[in-house]
Amino acid sequence: QSALTQPASVSESPGQSITISCTGTSSDVGAYNFVSWYQQHPGKAPKLMIYDVNERPSGVSYRFSGFKSGNTASLTISGLQAEDEADYYCCSYAGGSTWVFGGGTKVTVL
Amino acid sequence: EVQLLDSGGGLVQPGGSLRLSCAASGFTFNNYAMTWVRQAPGKGLEWVSSITGSGYITFYADSVKGRFTISRDNAKNTLYLQMFNLRGEDTAMYYCARGKSKEAVDWFDPWGQGTLVTVSS
Repeated sequence: QSALTQPASVSESPGQSITISCTGTSSDVGAYNFVSWYQQHPGKAPKLMIYDVNERPSGVSYRFSGFKSGNTASLTISGLQAEDEADYYCCSYAGGSTWVFGGGTKVTVL
Repeated sequence: EVQLLDSGGGLVQPGGSLRLSCAASGFTFNNYAMTWVRQAPGKGLEWVSSITGSGYITFYADSVKGRFTISRDNAKNTLYLQMFNLRGEDTAMYYCARGKSKEAVDWFDPWGQGTLVTVSS
C-alpha cells in the first residue's frame, strides 16, 4: 500500500484560493469514490473536512470543496484565512478493506 | 457530544507489548465501525486497523498484520489495540476514530486526542 502523493507545501495570501492535489492509482483513488480529506493543526488530532470526494460534514465551512478526476483528487480552499494554516491529508479506500493516506501538505497563509 | 478518549500509550522496549484503549461516549458505540490510525513523529498519517460494529470482522495494514490485534467491548463502549513484538518503527501517536456506520468505515470522524507509543531500549 503506497502512500498517495501530495505536494509537500502550498502557500498563498489571505483571501486567495489554493488547490491541493492527491494522486493515487487506478486501484485506490481512481477505483472508488471514498476519498476524504483531513485538517490537522500542530499538536492536535485530525479533523474530517471532506468525505466521499466532495461532501462536506456539518459545521465545515463552504470554503472547502473536493473534486476527483481519474486517479487524482483535489481539495480547494477558497477565501483563504489565517485559521486555515495547517497540514492537510487525503485518504482513499484502496480495496481489500484497506485504506491509504497521502503524505500530507503543509498550507501556509502568507 | 461525541467523544473518544485514547489511553494506554507509553515507553516500551523492542519486542515488548502494549494495549491501547479508546473510550467512547455520546453515541451508540456498537452502531459504528472503529479504526486506529497512527502518526510517527513529524510524519504523515498511516491507517493501522479497523473493526466492524459487531466486532466480528477486522482489517489490518500489512505493516502490523500478525503483531497487532484490534478488538472492542461494546458493553464497555471501548475499543482496544493489543500490540505485540513492538519495533522502533511502531513509535507513533495512535489515534482512534469512528467510521461511517456499523459495517462501513469510509471515513474517520471524529478522532480521539491520541496516545503516544515510544518503542526504545
